[in-house]
Amino acid sequence: DTGVSQDPRHKITKRGQNVTFRCDPISEHNRLYWYRQTLGQGPEFLTYFQNEAQLEKSRLLSDRFSAERPKGSFSTLEIQRTEQGDSAMYLCASRSGEGDNEQFFGPGTRLTVL
Amino acid sequence: TQLLEQSPQFLSIQEGENLTVYCNSSSVFSSLQWYRQEPGEGPVLLVTVVTGGEVKKLKRLTFQFGDARKDSSLHITAAQPGDTGLYLCAGAKAGTASKLTFGTGTRLQVTL
Repeated sequence: DTGVSQDPRHKITKRGQNVTFRCDPISEHNRLYWYRQTLGQGPEFLTYFQNEAQLEKSRLLSDRFSAERPKGSFSTLEIQRTEQGDSAMYLCASRSGEGDNEQFFGPGTRLTVL
Repeated sequence: TQLLEQSPQFLSIQEGENLTVYCNSSSVFSSLQWYRQEPGEGPVLLVTVVTGGEVKKLKRLTFQFGDARKDSSLHITAAQPGDTGLYLCAGAKAGTASKLTFGTGTRLQVTL
């Protein structure tokens, strides 16, 4: 399967714990995006990488959130000191640098903070 | 504040009926995508439209981008139970690195 993959698919954690999610984009896609989707809503943009450079962060991304893409391939999203309000589906998408802005999404990581 | 408003929010129809979902905004987008999302999964891209007035057909699905590139519609002919899902429109603005602004979503249920 050459699509976007995310790991884990589900994560249950207690409030105050740290969690880290991984995203593997479609190979050779140099642009990678993280979105967050809460129940009943459309996804909301969190952050964007072009190769290894993080070029934009949403104001939704508090200082408890950090994302990296160290070698311009996979990316990680870490949430420190999780809060119940962090419970959501975290989606990763990738696209090539050309074409009609088409982004391809992974299956998401469902986070539940107890 | 949601920049893209979708209507209706929920739609329950019987197999064989036609339906239209609307995606409206006061902003201009350089491109607009439609996705379908199943529960517990990520959105799956259906189509991208980039030109004002553009119409694209994908089997029983017809997508239209408004002339002013502020709105779009999705029309499904002869709906089938397999069309059930959450339909999301998402727009990208010029100069924003193609980050997507998603609509509020339309949840469609097609019953036998």
